[in-house]
Amino acid sequence: DTAVSQTPKYLVTQMGNDKSIKCEQNLGHDTMYWYKQDSKKFLKIMFSYNNKELIINETVPNRFSPKSPDKAHLNLHINSLELGDSAVYFCASSQDTISQPQHFGDGTRLSIL
Amino acid sequence: GESVGLHLPTLSVQEGDNSIINCAYSNSASDYFIWYKQESGKGPQFIIDIRSNMDKRQGQRVTVLLNKTVKHLSLQIAATQPGDSAVYFCAEIGGQAGTALIFGKGTTLSVSS
Repeated sequence: DTAVSQTPKYLVTQMGNDKSIKCEQNLGHDTMYWYKQDSKKFLKIMFSYNNKELIINETVPNRFSPKSPDKAHLNLHINSLELGDSAVYFCASSQDTISQPQHFGDGTRLSIL
Repeated sequence: GESVGLHLPTLSVQEGDNSIINCAYSNSASDYFIWYKQESGKGPQFIIDIRSNMDKRQGQRVTVLLNKTVKHLSLQIAATQPGDSAVYFCAEIGGQAGTALIFGKGTTLSVSS
């Protein structure tokens, strides 16, 4: 009964490929997020969706396209993968207002060869 | 610009000691702060939060102190245990439209028995 689950846990692929990461939350939250954690453990917000609508896009290249089919799911599609995309990607969710703690999934480790 | 930083990247303590992890933030308009714990291979896990109208909040074995005058946040862990070994992040509300969590760089806590 994992609250925020993301798949796959590991993703190894070649430069130039297109890949997707899926995220689902069963907490009934209205807001979902994608974060990127680099090799130095620095966590940075990428996107935020509230009730399937994009509310934050923090200067992420347009090769990254989030999609929210319903408020329990937020998927991340990445086109033309580059070496610099190697990182751990975390999905998170929170209640409607931002002033609630965000609950994180266990991450997807993306490695670009 | 907005940034949340930590004073020390690593902290080593003996089991049973009290630990204090510090964080400095730059956005004086921030009104919500959170501490997260991240274990190896896992996503950040919520520990405790505090709003700007408070200067102290206590949880189970943890206390967060907020000093708005000097924009400083600290996490105190009482009777530190080996299971407390992890990377600790402070985060504040900031970013685009003030709705994104801005994370600090993390402090790695190592507890030896």
